Amino acid sequence: DAGITQSPRYKITETGRQVTLMCHQTWSHSYMFWYRQDLGHGLRLIYYSAAADITDKGEVPDGYVVSRSKTENFPLTLESATRSQTSVYFCASSAGPGANEKLFFGSGTQLSVL
Amino acid sequence: AQRVTQPEKLLSVFKGAPVELKCNYSYSGSPELFWYVQYSRQRLQLLLRHISRESIKGFTADLNKGETSFHLKKPFAQEEDSAMYYCALSGGTGNQFYFGTGTSLTVIP
Repeated sequence: DAGITQSPRYKITETGRQVTLMCHQTWSHSYMFWYRQDLGHGLRLIYYSAAADITDKGEVPDGYVVSRSKTENFPLTLESATRSQTSVYFCASSAGPGANEKLFFGSGTQLSVL
Repeated sequence: AQRVTQPEKLLSVFKGAPVELKCNYSYSGSPELFWYVQYSRQRLQLLLRHISRESIKGFTADLNKGETSFHLKKPFAQEEDSAMYYCALSGGTGNQFYFGTGTSLTVIP
């Protein structure tokens, strides 16, 4: 399933720096999502997008910015990284509601903020 | 408010024993329920969804609307079932997927 790729796989940064995590999918899925995975919290939705130029907040959007100028890309930016943003970040895509609705996940980006 | 609860963070069973991973949900409408699995060094992937009423890798899950539960079951656990399991709920509008906190299953040989 190379249809959705994330980069980088690992990233170490310092507090206060800006970091951008990339997500690219080749299926032309309408919906794209960013989740963070933390022990004890499971997967929490940061932002999602229903189509190009349409984005909306999830459960934990503070400190993050997204854009979706093209259907296939959905970058996530941490404008000023904080230690609490150390996490594993997963991008996902979906064709949308209906009988075949399901999420396809990227491999994840492990981010450490020092 | 929508919520997915997985009460067990860790679950260990012996190979060949039955396994049940619990999932309860709260949602005001008619949700769709899923189980996702993450094997070691692999990406998260769909295991099964209630609407399909299928059995994948010997796992089944029945949606019980009265108890608002969607427990995952397998009669005989195998070592390769060791993984992190997430129960998830969709509002059916395409943009609402809520996950539980996950259960890490270890099958002891």
